[in-house]
Amino acid sequence: DQQVKQNSPSLSVQEGRISILNCDYTNSMFDYFLWYKKYPAEGPTFLISISSIKDKNEDGRFTVFLNKSAKHLSLHIVPSQPGDSAVYFCAASYPRAGNNRKLIWGLGTSLAVNP
Amino acid sequence: ETGVTQSPTHLIKTRGQQVTLRCSSQSGHNTVSWYQQALGQGPQFIFQYYREEENGRGNFPPRFSGLQFPNYSSELNVNALELDDSALYLCASSFYASGANVLTFGAGSRLTVL
Repeated sequence: DQQVKQNSPSLSVQEGRISILNCDYTNSMFDYFLWYKKYPAEGPTFLISISSIKDKNEDGRFTVFLNKSAKHLSLHIVPSQPGDSAVYFCAASYPRAGNNRKLIWGLGTSLAVNP
Repeated sequence: ETGVTQSPTHLIKTRGQQVTLRCSSQSGHNTVSWYQQALGQGPQFIFQYYREEENGRGNFPPRFSGLQFPNYSSELNVNALELDDSALYLCASSFYASGANVLTFGAGSRLTVL
């Protein structure tokens, strides 16, 4: 049962345009959401996060929006650059005993930004 | 500040064998988590180590075991390898009680089981 879903396996956008990557979740206990970016032959790198008490978090060209009622979040990249081409993972976590958290990951969306 | 390093980067084993993967955590981090990423999948949580003890485990059988050392480095051991164990194994470190659980990942060890 996939608790974090990224329904688009791939996305292609033109350089300078907006990239929108979507993520849906099913577990209402999730209270923290993260986006990671992964290049081939490298480990995932943290990009941006959002707490469930917020609906928007912005960091430079990257903005994450959270719609709790719809159990949906999205990552916006504006403007998109060729170096943004990578696999983007959405991940979520919830509080557990002893402040022990684990991340539940989506399957990833492969973004290609074309020059 | 050094990042997370993993070794070996690639290895090939046969069914039934045992494997040990190693991870050095990022400076200042005291918690290590291990993830398995099969082809076309997102990372799956195996377990987490804090203060040299297992501190949370995912849905993996007991033949997956680990260690954390006083310097916060860690090992992942897999016994009786199966074909389905072929995957990229990712180690991630973090600072316990940071709340956000922002993980810093290594580049991974790619295991192929024949």
